[in-house]
Amino acid sequence: GAGVSQTPSNKVTEKGKYVELRCDPISGHTALYWYRQSLGQGPEFLIYFQGTGAADDSGLPNDRFFAVRPEGSVSTLKIQRTERGDSAVYLCASSWASGRGSEQFFGPGTRLTVL
Amino acid sequence: LAKTTQPISMDSYEGQEVNITCSHNNIATNDYITWYQQFPSQGPRFIIQGYKTKVTNEVASLFIPADRKSSTLSLPRVSLSDTAVYYCLVGDMTSGGYQKVTFGIGTKLQVIP
Repeated sequence: GAGVSQTPSNKVTEKGKYVELRCDPISGHTALYWYRQSLGQGPEFLIYFQGTGAADDSGLPNDRFFAVRPEGSVSTLKIQRTERGDSAVYLCASSWASGRGSEQFFGPGTRLTVL
Repeated sequence: LAKTTQPISMDSYEGQEVNITCSHNNIATNDYITWYQQFPSQGPRFIIQGYKTKVTNEVASLFIPADRKSSTLSLPRVSLSDTAVYYCLVGDMTSGGYQKVTFGIGTKLQVIP
């Protein structure tokens, strides 16, 4: 079956530009997570959605980062005024809701490069 | 969130059993232990999850002692394709299925022919 997909797979942008990263979770998964992974590090939690609402956005580094999930399925991570330090792989994961375990299924990631 | 400590790297020959131990001294009552595997240029992949004692699936075994302050991931007879980074995570699964977890640096396993 289809897994989590993320687009684009690679994104190169210039400092100060705005970018949007898209995540298509597994159908039926109500929980969705965004992570950021820098080279040599483990994934760093950014935000968690349960349905349409952001239940935990404590990992967003600052107000340049914002994420939405308007219909409880596809999610978009938005980064304003990008900085070179934002360069990383952005991972999306989805999982079932309560009672069915919390195994997170990850997408392949979007590699963001800010020049 | 409980902090985890695991070796940064390990080497093993093909066909050997590999045991990766993770320390989580301040694990909480509601915390579960989960292991993920990550290959280069891919997202992490769930391997196994447990709360106490022993859990086994087709891929690995997870051993958790009674005090739950550590856990050991056991990979039987590793092959070259098991070369990857392995992450030990501890998180609360009781909050509506949401497991907020922290990935550390992980253990980079290199399987040698």
